[in-house]
Amino acid sequence: DGGITQSPKYLFRKEGQNVTLSCEQNLNHDAMYWYRQDPGQGLRLIYYSQIVNDFQKGDIAEGYSVSREKKESFPLTVTSAQKNPTAFYLCASSIGGTGGNIQYFGAGTRLSVL
Amino acid sequence: QQQVKQSPQSLIVQKGGISIINCAYENTAFDYFPWYQQFPGKGPALLIAIRPDVSEKKEGRFTISFNKSAKQFSLHIMDSQPGDSATYFCAARENDYKLSFGAGTTVTVRA
Repeated sequence: DGGITQSPKYLFRKEGQNVTLSCEQNLNHDAMYWYRQDPGQGLRLIYYSQIVNDFQKGDIAEGYSVSREKKESFPLTVTSAQKNPTAFYLCASSIGGTGGNIQYFGAGTRLSVL
Repeated sequence: QQQVKQSPQSLIVQKGGISIINCAYENTAFDYFPWYQQFPGKGPALLIAIRPDVSEKKEGRFTISFNKSAKQFSLHIMDSQPGDSATYFCAARENDYKLSFGAGTTVTVRA
Protein backbone atom coordinates (compact mmCIF):
# COMPACT_ATOMS: atom_id res chain seq x y z
CA ASP A 1 0.00 0.00 0.00
CA GLY A 2 1.48 3.34 -1.06
CA GLY A 3 1.06 6.20 1.32
CA ILE A 4 2.25 8.27 4.23
CA THR A 5 2.62 6.79 7.68
CA GLN A 6 2.69 8.99 10.76
CA SER A 7 3.49 7.70 14.21
CA PRO A 8 2.54 7.70 16.93
CA LYS A 9 -1.17 8.48 16.57
CA TYR A 10 -1.22 10.10 20.05
CA LEU A 11 1.69 11.64 21.92
CA PHE A 12 2.03 13.33 25.28
CA ARG A 13 4.73 15.80 26.18
CA LYS A 14 5.94 16.76 29.62
CA GLU A 15 7.12 20.24 30.53
CA GLY A 16 10.60 20.94 29.12
CA GLN A 17 10.67 17.82 27.01
CA ASN A 18 11.50 17.47 23.33
CA VAL A 19 9.38 15.00 21.39
CA THR A 20 9.80 13.67 17.85
CA LEU A 21 6.99 12.85 15.44
CA SER A 22 7.71 10.32 12.72
CA CYS A 23 6.68 10.61 9.06
CA GLU A 24 7.52 7.99 6.43
CA GLN A 25 6.36 7.89 2.80
CA ASN A 26 6.70 5.22 0.11
CA LEU A 27 5.30 7.31 -2.74
CA ASN A 28 8.79 8.17 -4.03
CA HIS A 29 7.94 11.86 -3.61
CA ASP A 30 10.73 14.41 -3.46
CA ALA A 31 8.91 17.01 -1.36
CA MET A 32 7.64 16.60 2.20
CA TYR A 33 5.82 18.97 4.56
CA TRP A 34 4.76 19.42 8.17
CA TYR A 35 1.59 21.27 9.10
CA ARG A 36 0.00 22.16 12.37
CA GLN A 37 -3.81 22.10 12.62
CA ASP A 38 -5.66 23.99 15.34
CA PRO A 39 -9.46 24.30 15.58
CA GLY A 40 -10.75 27.13 13.41
CA GLN A 41 -7.32 27.97 11.96
CA GLY A 42 -6.89 25.58 9.09
CA LEU A 43 -3.48 24.15 8.31
CA ARG A 44 -0.35 26.19 8.95
CA LEU A 45 2.98 25.23 7.40
CA ILE A 46 5.81 24.51 9.86
CA TYR A 47 8.63 23.25 7.60
CA TYR A 48 8.99 21.78 4.17
CA SER A 49 11.71 19.94 2.28
CA GLN A 50 12.15 19.93 -1.47
CA ILE A 51 14.89 17.28 -1.56
CA VAL A 52 17.06 15.20 0.76
CA ASN A 53 19.37 17.22 3.05
CA ASP A 54 17.47 20.43 2.38
CA PHE A 55 14.55 22.07 4.19
CA GLN A 56 12.98 25.52 4.59
CA LYS A 57 11.01 27.21 7.33
CA GLY A 58 7.32 27.67 6.84
CA ASP A 59 5.05 30.22 8.51
CA ILE A 60 5.36 28.94 12.09
CA ALA A 61 8.79 27.27 12.42
CA GLU A 62 9.71 28.67 15.85
CA GLY A 63 10.03 25.92 18.45
CA TYR A 64 10.27 23.14 15.86
CA SER A 65 13.13 21.40 14.06
CA VAL A 66 13.32 18.87 11.23
CA SER A 67 15.81 16.72 9.36
CA ARG A 68 15.73 15.07 5.95
CA GLU A 69 18.45 12.46 5.80
CA LYS A 70 16.47 10.02 3.66
CA LYS A 71 13.98 10.62 0.88
CA GLU A 72 11.35 8.53 2.67
CA SER A 73 11.60 10.15 6.09
CA PHE A 74 10.95 13.65 7.46
CA PRO A 75 10.78 13.63 11.29
CA LEU A 76 9.58 16.68 13.21
CA THR A 77 10.90 17.54 16.68
CA VAL A 78 8.76 19.70 18.90
CA THR A 79 11.23 21.36 21.24
CA SER A 80 10.73 22.72 24.73
CA ALA A 81 10.86 26.21 23.16
CA GLN A 82 7.40 25.59 21.64
CA LYS A 83 5.22 26.87 24.48
CA ASN A 84 1.88 25.85 23.01
CA PRO A 85 2.49 22.48 21.34
CA THR A 86 -1.00 20.99 21.78
CA ALA A 87 -2.32 20.46 18.25
CA PHE A 88 -2.93 17.95 15.48
CA TYR A 89 0.21 17.55 13.35
CA LEU A 90 -0.02 16.52 9.72
CA CYS A 91 2.73 15.33 7.42
CA ALA A 92 2.32 15.51 3.64
CA SER A 93 4.29 14.79 0.51
CA SER A 94 4.17 15.79 -3.14
CA ILE A 95 6.04 15.05 -6.33
CA GLY A 96 7.50 18.53 -6.09
CA GLY A 97 9.09 20.80 -8.64
CA THR A 98 7.16 21.41 -11.82
CA GLY A 99 5.14 18.27 -11.09
CA GLY A 100 2.74 20.52 -9.28
CA ASN A 101 1.68 20.65 -5.69
CA ILE A 102 -0.93 17.96 -5.11
CA GLN A 103 -0.15 17.12 -1.53
CA TYR A 104 -0.98 13.76 0.01
CA PHE A 105 -1.47 13.67 3.76
CA GLY A 106 -0.86 11.17 6.51
CA ALA A 107 -3.43 10.40 9.22
CA GLY A 108 -1.84 12.79 11.71
CA THR A 109 -0.40 12.78 15.23
CA ARG A 110 -2.30 14.40 18.07
CA LEU A 111 0.11 15.96 20.57
CA SER A 112 -1.01 16.93 24.05
CA VAL A 113 0.82 18.43 27.02
CA LEU A 114 0.73 16.62 30.36
CA GLN B 1 -2.87 36.36 8.84
CA GLN B 2 -4.73 33.99 6.57
CA GLN B 3 -4.30 34.63 2.87
CA VAL B 4 -7.42 32.63 2.04
CA LYS B 5 -10.63 33.51 3.88
CA GLN B 6 -13.23 30.75 4.08
CA SER B 7 -16.88 30.87 5.15
CA PRO B 8 -19.03 29.69 6.77
CA GLN B 9 -17.23 28.06 9.69
CA SER B 10 -19.90 25.36 9.81
CA LEU B 11 -23.15 24.46 8.10
CA ILE B 12 -25.94 21.94 8.48
CA VAL B 13 -27.84 20.67 5.47
CA GLN B 14 -30.59 18.11 5.00
CA LYS B 15 -29.93 14.99 2.98
CA GLY B 16 -30.44 15.81 -0.68
CA GLY B 17 -29.78 19.52 -0.17
CA ILE B 18 -27.00 21.73 -1.53
CA SER B 19 -23.95 22.72 0.56
CA ILE B 20 -22.11 25.88 -0.48
CA ILE B 21 -18.72 26.94 0.88
CA ASN B 22 -17.08 30.20 -0.14
CA CYS B 23 -13.45 31.31 -0.26
CA ALA B 24 -11.81 34.63 -1.09
CA TYR B 25 -8.19 35.62 -1.68
CA GLU B 26 -6.11 38.72 -2.39
CA ASN B 27 -2.86 37.38 -3.84
CA THR B 28 -3.22 37.39 -7.64
CA ALA B 29 -0.10 35.21 -7.92
CA PHE B 30 -2.08 32.17 -6.76
CA ASP B 31 -2.33 29.81 -9.73
CA TYR B 32 -4.12 26.68 -8.55
CA PHE B 33 -7.04 26.21 -6.16
CA PRO B 34 -7.62 22.78 -4.60
CA TRP B 35 -10.27 21.69 -2.14
CA TYR B 36 -9.51 19.11 0.52
CA GLN B 37 -11.94 16.91 2.48
CA GLN B 38 -11.07 15.76 5.99
CA PHE B 39 -12.90 13.20 8.12
CA PRO B 40 -12.46 13.22 11.92
CA GLY B 41 -9.12 11.83 13.02
CA LYS B 42 -7.83 11.57 9.46
CA GLY B 43 -5.61 13.64 7.20
CA PRO B 44 -7.11 15.81 4.45
CA ALA B 45 -7.54 14.29 0.99
CA LEU B 46 -7.70 16.15 -2.31
CA LEU B 47 -11.32 16.40 -3.48
CA ILE B 48 -11.30 18.62 -6.56
CA ALA B 49 -9.16 21.47 -7.93
CA ILE B 50 -9.38 24.27 -10.47
CA ARG B 51 -7.04 26.60 -12.35
CA PRO B 52 -7.91 30.33 -12.64
CA ASP B 53 -8.44 30.19 -16.41
CA VAL B 54 -11.52 27.99 -15.88
CA SER B 55 -14.80 29.32 -14.44
CA GLU B 56 -16.31 26.02 -13.36
CA LYS B 57 -15.25 22.43 -12.80
CA LYS B 58 -17.56 19.55 -11.95
CA GLU B 59 -16.72 16.09 -10.64
CA GLY B 60 -19.76 14.02 -9.74
CA ARG B 61 -21.76 15.89 -7.11
CA PHE B 62 -18.94 18.37 -6.40
CA THR B 63 -18.58 21.61 -8.39
CA ILE B 64 -16.09 24.46 -8.05
CA SER B 65 -17.14 27.88 -9.31
CA PHE B 66 -14.33 30.38 -9.85
CA ASN B 67 -14.64 34.17 -10.27
CA LYS B 68 -11.20 35.53 -11.13
CA SER B 69 -12.21 39.20 -11.21
CA ALA B 70 -13.79 38.98 -7.76
CA LYS B 71 -10.98 36.76 -6.45
CA GLN B 72 -13.52 34.32 -5.08
CA PHE B 73 -14.21 30.64 -5.52
CA SER B 74 -16.75 28.27 -4.04
CA LEU B 75 -17.51 24.59 -3.59
CA HIS B 76 -21.01 23.28 -4.20
CA ILE B 77 -22.00 19.84 -2.95
CA MET B 78 -25.16 18.76 -4.74
CA ASP B 79 -27.55 16.12 -3.38
CA SER B 80 -25.64 16.12 -0.07
CA GLN B 81 -25.36 12.72 1.62
CA PRO B 82 -24.59 11.79 5.26
CA GLY B 83 -21.24 10.41 4.05
CA ASP B 84 -20.31 13.94 2.94
CA SER B 85 -20.23 15.05 6.58
CA ALA B 86 -16.64 16.25 6.99
CA THR B 87 -14.50 19.37 7.20
CA TYR B 88 -13.68 21.02 3.89
CA PHE B 89 -10.66 23.24 3.27
CA CYS B 90 -10.08 25.49 0.32
CA ALA B 91 -6.48 26.26 -0.58
CA ALA B 92 -4.45 28.33 -3.00
CA ARG B 93 -1.03 27.58 -4.45
CA GLU B 94 1.71 30.20 -4.13
CA ASN B 95 4.42 28.13 -5.78
CA ASP B 96 5.40 24.50 -6.33
CA TYR B 97 5.88 23.98 -2.61
CA LYS B 98 3.50 26.26 -0.74
CA LEU B 99 -0.26 26.09 -0.29
CA SER B 100 -2.25 28.59 1.77
CA PHE B 101 -5.28 27.00 3.41
CA GLY B 102 -8.58 28.46 4.51
CA ALA B 103 -9.75 27.92 8.09
CA GLY B 104 -12.11 25.08 7.15
CA THR B 105 -15.86 24.48 7.07
CA THR B 106 -17.50 21.66 8.99
CA VAL B 107 -20.41 20.24 7.02
CA THR B 108 -23.06 18.15 8.74
CA VAL B 109 -25.61 16.37 6.57
CA ARG B 110 -28.74 15.32 8.46
CA ALA B 111 -30.52 12.19 7.26
